Amino acid sequence: SQQGEEDPQALSIQEGENATMNCSYKTSINNLQWYRQNSGRGLVHLILIRSNEREKHSGRLRVTLDTSKKSSSLLITASRAADTASYFCATETQGGSEKLVFGKGTKLTVNP
Amino acid sequence: DAGITQSPRHKVTETGTPVTLRCHQTENHRYMYWYRQDPGHGLRLIHYSYGVKDTDKGEVSDGYSVSRSKTEDFLLTLESATSSQTSVYFCAISERENIQYFGAGTRLSVL
Repeated sequence: SQQGEEDPQALSIQEGENATMNCSYKTSINNLQWYRQNSGRGLVHLILIRSNEREKHSGRLRVTLDTSKKSSSLLITASRAADTASYFCATETQGGSEKLVFGKGTKLTVNP
Repeated sequence: DAGITQSPRHKVTETGTPVTLRCHQTENHRYMYWYRQDPGHGLRLIHYSYGVKDTDKGEVSDGYSVSRSKTEDFLLTLESATSSQTSVYFCAISERENIQYFGAGTRLSVL
């Protein structure tokens, strides 16, 4: 069963705007990761945040983690048309033996 | 795609036939995974491997078997393909902190 659930399922914005995607999960985790998938391609790792971290930045990406609410958010600032893709959160549960459980993804469309 | 090659990239087969998908890595990573991706279900783990000859089941393992006789190769076999196994299959590898690197995928159609 799915551990992470992304919200919204689809998001359409204009170039230059910020995009925020949320992920909720059910059980205690070691870390939470975000991946991007361009149409017809494999997933690409974006960023990892550990359970003892609250916020992490990488370029135009900002990830937050609230373990008390079992939720995470991914913010993409100053979006570009090239950011158009599906974004997935993935959780490594505690005692999860090197497995990730992926959510169903948020489909982001950035209009030029 | 991070030294991961999936073959074939596309396959059309008939119900009841055996199918083997291959994942080959050049990164010498310990962990290898097979996922399937379906609309409305996201990515689901089929089987994974934590070393040569060491494999374990994932969430949707029924109807699938795997083998890993060498570090670099992880095979996924559908013993008798069914239409419900029509999907896109992804292989992934990881070494540290479970950061996974994905292949380009195999699109399988079972008619």
